[in-house]
Amino acid sequence: EAGVAQSPRYKIIEKRQSVAFWCNPISGHATLYWYQQILGQGPKLLIQFQNNGVVDDSQLPKDRFSAERLKGVDSTLKIQPAKLEDSAVYLCASSLDGRDLDTQYFGPGTRLTVL
Amino acid sequence: DAKTTQPNSMESNEEEPVHLPCNHSTISGTDYIHWYRQLPSQGPEYVIHGLTSNVNNRMASLAIAEDRKSSTLILHRATLRDAAVYYCILRGGGSNYKLTFGKGTLLTVNP
Repeated sequence: EAGVAQSPRYKIIEKRQSVAFWCNPISGHATLYWYQQILGQGPKLLIQFQNNGVVDDSQLPKDRFSAERLKGVDSTLKIQPAKLEDSAVYLCASSLDGRDLDTQYFGPGTRLTVL
Repeated sequence: DAKTTQPNSMESNEEEPVHLPCNHSTISGTDYIHWYRQLPSQGPEYVIHGLTSNVNNRMASLAIAEDRKSSTLILHRATLRDAAVYYCILRGGGSNYKLTFGKGTLLTVNP
């Protein structure tokens, strides 16, 4: 079974530039998550989708971050404009239906460096 | 959210058992204890979870204290591939099912 795919794996940009990350979840998984992991810390949930609707975006900095999940499958996360403190690994995860104790399956992440 | 406390780091030798502790003194009756681990340059992966009874699977065992205020993840024979950050996370039923990661325990396995 194919896992969660993410691209690119690495990205270097200058502050105030824009960047987008792509995620393809495990086939059949209704729930998709984006996490931000700053060096030395555990992942922090940014946004959760159930199919193509947003379930939780309480920790998404909405002035600069946006995310969409068209047709309830693939998802993109965008940062515009980027700040130095956005340097982190951005992890995408998916789960079967997002209920209760659903196991989350993570992709390898995209490492973003903002200069 | 209920909190967990883990040591920042632990060290073990290859082929020896490893006991990773987790304290969760404010756990509620509906909270499950989950463990995920994150290998270098990878996303986290599920290891095991339990409620009250000890649990075993192909990756590890989970020993839960009788009062549920602490638990221990047991790797029976550590290998170099077990070197990772291990996260102990409480997840409740209903709406409190988020995965809220702390800093975890960095496990180093010596050859």
